[in-house]
Amino acid sequence: ETGVTQTPRHLVMGMTNKKSLKCEQHLGHNAMYWYKQSAKKPLELMFVYSLEERVENNSVPSRFSPECPNSSHLFLHLHTLQPEDSALYLCASSQGDRSGSFFGPGTRLTVL
Amino acid sequence: GQQVMQIPQYQHVQEGEDFTTYCNSSTTLSNIQWYKQRPGGHPVFLIQLVKSGEVKKQKRLTFQFGEAKKNSSLHITATQTTDVGTYFCASADSWGKLQFGAGTQVVVTP
Repeated sequence: ETGVTQTPRHLVMGMTNKKSLKCEQHLGHNAMYWYKQSAKKPLELMFVYSLEERVENNSVPSRFSPECPNSSHLFLHLHTLQPEDSALYLCASSQGDRSGSFFGPGTRLTVL
Repeated sequence: GQQVMQIPQYQHVQEGEDFTTYCNSSTTLSNIQWYKQRPGGHPVFLIQLVKSGEVKKQKRLTFQFGEAKKNSSLHITATQTTDVGTYFCASADSWGKLQFGAGTQVVVTP
């Protein structure tokens, strides 16, 4: 499946680093999302963008900063992360309500 | 949000047997979606149900939405090793934001 792509696939960073995750969707969808998946926890919604406008910031710490320059691209900027932020970060897109979400392969993030 | 609870958390199935996983909510859901995540993979959309009492089939998978729209089930017949993975139910709001259940992790023994 290449509808939603994410880079990098794996990332190891120190707590003082700054890095960015990138997501691109090729499905013509109008909404994009960032989810966090930690071991033994349900998938957690972090951010929602609909038509390039952020519609939700789900009480996510400010060390995570999203950016949506257009309807096909979504970024997650990371800075001064904590070890507990280590997780699989999944990007998804959909055509809004009443349609399934299509997920990218995820970025496996490890914070040392 | 519309919270959903999934049971069981784990399911060990002998190859060839049937099993069912359940999704329940204390509130009426506008819709229910099902996803499958293979080990090391990402969630893959399987189906969406929106109507009360709706039943949909995909080969050996049967999805059902309860009459009161508060529960849903996924039934798999004649389980195969390719059915291994975690099955999630989720409910979407008008923005498409998904509230996921905790998932049912399925292990298939030959």
